[in-house]
Amino acid sequence: AQTVTQSQPEMSVQEAETVTLSCTYDTSENNYYLFWYKQPPSRQMILVIRQEAYKQQNATENRFSVNFQKAAKSFSLKISDSQLGDTAMYFCAFMKLQGAQKLVFGQGTRLTINP
Amino acid sequence: SAVISQKPSRDICQRGTSLTIQCQVDSQVTMMFWYRQQPGQSLTLIATANQGSEATYESGFVIDKFPISRPNLTFSTLTVSNLSPEDSSIYLCSIEGRNFYGYTFGSGTRLTVV
Repeated sequence: AQTVTQSQPEMSVQEAETVTLSCTYDTSENNYYLFWYKQPPSRQMILVIRQEAYKQQNATENRFSVNFQKAAKSFSLKISDSQLGDTAMYFCAFMKLQGAQKLVFGQGTRLTINP
Repeated sequence: SAVISQKPSRDICQRGTSLTIQCQVDSQVTMMFWYRQQPGQSLTLIATANQGSEATYESGFVIDKFPISRPNLTFSTLTVSNLSPEDSSIYLCSIEGRNFYGYTFGSGTRLTVV
């Protein structure tokens, strides 16, 4: 079974700073997807970024980028020029390509951006 | 991406009763997923619902407690039966996004059992 671990329950940074959220996972699969989701107080789950395991290039979406280290099974999220609206819970998630296509989530990191 | 309408957004229910949650999608989808998010916790998959077949439940979740209907390719319901305070959670439905960029979630239902 796959497991996803987020070792930082809470983080807090000042607006405009850069912050990195950590995620590690355990799997014997070779083909899979990794995701970062954001859940603001509205509780809506918002997809931030995704990474295909077969791609060596790290995914980027505007101010959000990942550092994907397949051998180390590490998938960190970097938020540059952080904004107040980035305040939310962030969940790392894993999905294997073979078999049941379900998401396995980490425990989450509560990120607070301070003015 | 597809739009999911989930309702109710919140409800307070008496123990022993049931709550049915609905998700309506603006396009046809093969699979719909139901998740539970207990207070302060992450999301856990309850079941996967395919149209025309019985839902597939994850370990720890049973059909008698969480019956699911999937009458067509745009709609699904999750019922949480015989409610107890331990069922107080956020329940979310989800679908695979177009071109499989990722999964789209409904806005969630916050259930409080008193």
